[in-house]
Amino acid sequence: GDSVTQMEGPVTLSEEAFLTINCTYTATGYPSLFWYVQYPGEGLQLLLKATKADDKGSNKGFEATYRKETTSFHLEKGSVQVSDSAVYFCALSPNAGNMLTFGGGTRLMVKP
Amino acid sequence: DAGVIQSPRHEVTEMGQEVTLRCKPISGHDYLFWYRQTMMRGLELLIYFNNNVPIDDSGMPEDRFSAKMPNASFSTLKIQPSEPRDSAVYFCASRVRGMNTEAFFGQGTRLTVV
Repeated sequence: GDSVTQMEGPVTLSEEAFLTINCTYTATGYPSLFWYVQYPGEGLQLLLKATKADDKGSNKGFEATYRKETTSFHLEKGSVQVSDSAVYFCALSPNAGNMLTFGGGTRLMVKP
Repeated sequence: DAGVIQSPRHEVTEMGQEVTLRCKPISGHDYLFWYRQTMMRGLELLIYFNNNVPIDDSGMPEDRFSAKMPNASFSTLKIQPSEPRDSAVYFCASRVRGMNTEAFFGQGTRLTVV
């Protein structure tokens, strides 16, 4: 079945450091890929998405590129802020079906 | 739209009691999902509905859990009887049809069973 694997956290960075959170997936066909963010005490909210190979999703300085050849969708940000501290979830939606499959989440902690 | 609305936000109950969690999805959304989040197991899909019909309940942990969606604007997740290991944050999410569409999450219900 479909699955999403994320790097385990927590990831601890200093402010203005470069961020990469790895995400790889297993799915048949060409799924859509998503990154969600969960701030403390809140539900998940969409950060960015990509719907086909080589698409780049971007939002709030975060980027991720849909790499079909490596089945990856790594999240990057050039300069993190304390306010980026949250849990980040990678997810996929298959091309047949409407169920989102989530990775285990990666907690990011940014220190001033 | 006010988004996905869940109630209550927090629930503390004694072991053995019945607990009912409520969710109002975004109007017009075809799909409704119930998730459970714990530190140990992360985010787990419990059950989802399409047009008020349960499609996949394979994630429901045991018979003590049940979910209903009597109409397009309301769903419940019931635990009877509750146990301490049910303590978690329960999220409801809704989505329109289509693989490219995002799921919108409620703020969750934090359940503590003592």
